[in-house]
Amino acid sequence: KAGVTQTPRYLIKTRGQQVTLSCSPISGHRSVSWYQQTPGQGLQFLFEYFSETQRNKGNFPGRFSGRQFSNSRSEMNVSTLELGDSALYLCASSSLGLAGELLDQETQYFGPGTRLLVL
Amino acid sequence: AQTVTQSQPEMSVQEAETVTLSCTYDTSESDYYLFWYKQPPSRQMILVIRQEAYKQQNATENRFSVNFQKAAKSFSLKISDSQLGDAAMYFCAYRRITNFGNEKLTFGTGTRLTIIP
Repeated sequence: KAGVTQTPRYLIKTRGQQVTLSCSPISGHRSVSWYQQTPGQGLQFLFEYFSETQRNKGNFPGRFSGRQFSNSRSEMNVSTLELGDSALYLCASSSLGLAGELLDQETQYFGPGTRLLVL
Repeated sequence: AQTVTQSQPEMSVQEAETVTLSCTYDTSESDYYLFWYKQPPSRQMILVIRQEAYKQQNATENRFSVNFQKAAKSFSLKISDSQLGDAAMYFCAYRRITNFGNEKLTFGTGTRLTIIP
């Protein structure tokens, strides 16, 4: 089974621009979560989607948004980029809702990340 | 709010030796999941091992095992027969159990493990 894929892998933007990152979960996985990783703040939760619905959201400004499509692929968007948005953005999927052991369902598997640099 | 603490920013171990990484957490929940992830220089976050809090038996995955002490809220990772490929940043993570499965992972700050040849 293919793992979680994220595109693009690297991105350079300037302040004020907007950016869209994409995540394709493991086949069959319906839950997708996004995390931001920075040297200063560590790993922080952005949001979680399941069946096209955002069910949980972290403490980020409204400039950060996301969505999920019917095939479980997810995108996140950051508008009006700031220097502080430079980070590694990680996407994770889990098989929640499928038959099987609960721990298996709730284990999150991560993609390789998108490294965003804002100049 | 749940917190995860990794008090060792860096650790090093000789190849083939054993090393233990520490993790403590704070929660008022009685049931939850705990995970160790490794992040090598490639930045890919890789699941190492996982533990359900209601299970008293410590999880084991090949050379990796945990020492889960629920009362002490401690979840350490032991790596036996350390290999060069084990060099990475290791993150301890906590996940509360909900009826909806929408709970986030809360991560510690990580421990950078160096393997000395």
